[in-house]
Amino acid sequence: GNSVTQMEGPVTLSEEAFLTINCTYTATGYPSLFWYVQYPGEGLQLLLKATKADDKGSNKGFEATYRKETTSFHLEKGSVQVSDSAVYFCALSPLPGSARQLTFGSGTQLTVLP
Amino acid sequence: EAGVAQSPRYKIIEKRQSVAFWCNPISGHATLYWYQQILGQGPKLLIQFQNNGVVDDSQLPKDRFSAERLKGVDSTLKIQPAKLEDSAVYLCASSLDGVGEQFFGPGTRLTVL
Repeated sequence: GNSVTQMEGPVTLSEEAFLTINCTYTATGYPSLFWYVQYPGEGLQLLLKATKADDKGSNKGFEATYRKETTSFHLEKGSVQVSDSAVYFCALSPLPGSARQLTFGSGTQLTVLP
Repeated sequence: EAGVAQSPRYKIIEKRQSVAFWCNPISGHATLYWYQQILGQGPKLLIQFQNNGVVDDSQLPKDRFSAERLKGVDSTLKIQPAKLEDSAVYLCASSLDGVGEQFFGPGTRLTVL
């Protein structure tokens, strides 16, 4: 079946540090890949997505590249801010170009200190 | 545009009691999802509605969980009777057509004592 494995947290960084959160997946075919963010007390929000191999999703300074050869979709940001403190979830949909049948990773808690 | 609304935000009950959660999706969204998010885990889909019909309920524990979406708008998720392992955040999400982006509500945190 489909699965998503995320880097275990929690992750604590100082403001302006470089962020990487690793995500690898198992799926057949050509899944779509997503990163969601959950701020304290709020629901999940779509951060970025990629629907085919070598696509790069980007939003709010965050980036992730769909690497089919390594089945990875690592999240990166060059300079984190305190406001980036949240839980980040990697997810996949087994259907190309779709957000259906999402399978989520277990989440990575990020805390950014001033 | 108003987002997905859920109530209550928090609920504490004792095991074997019943509980119900309510969700109002974004206006015009045909697809509605209920997820269970246990502490330290990612959300797991329980049930998906397309309008007022069930598309996928393969992971819904049907002996104790039920859900309905009357008139294809609001939805209610019920647990009867609750077990300790049902303690989790229950998330509702909606999407325009079941293919595009899912928009999530803030969730209901259930504690079963």
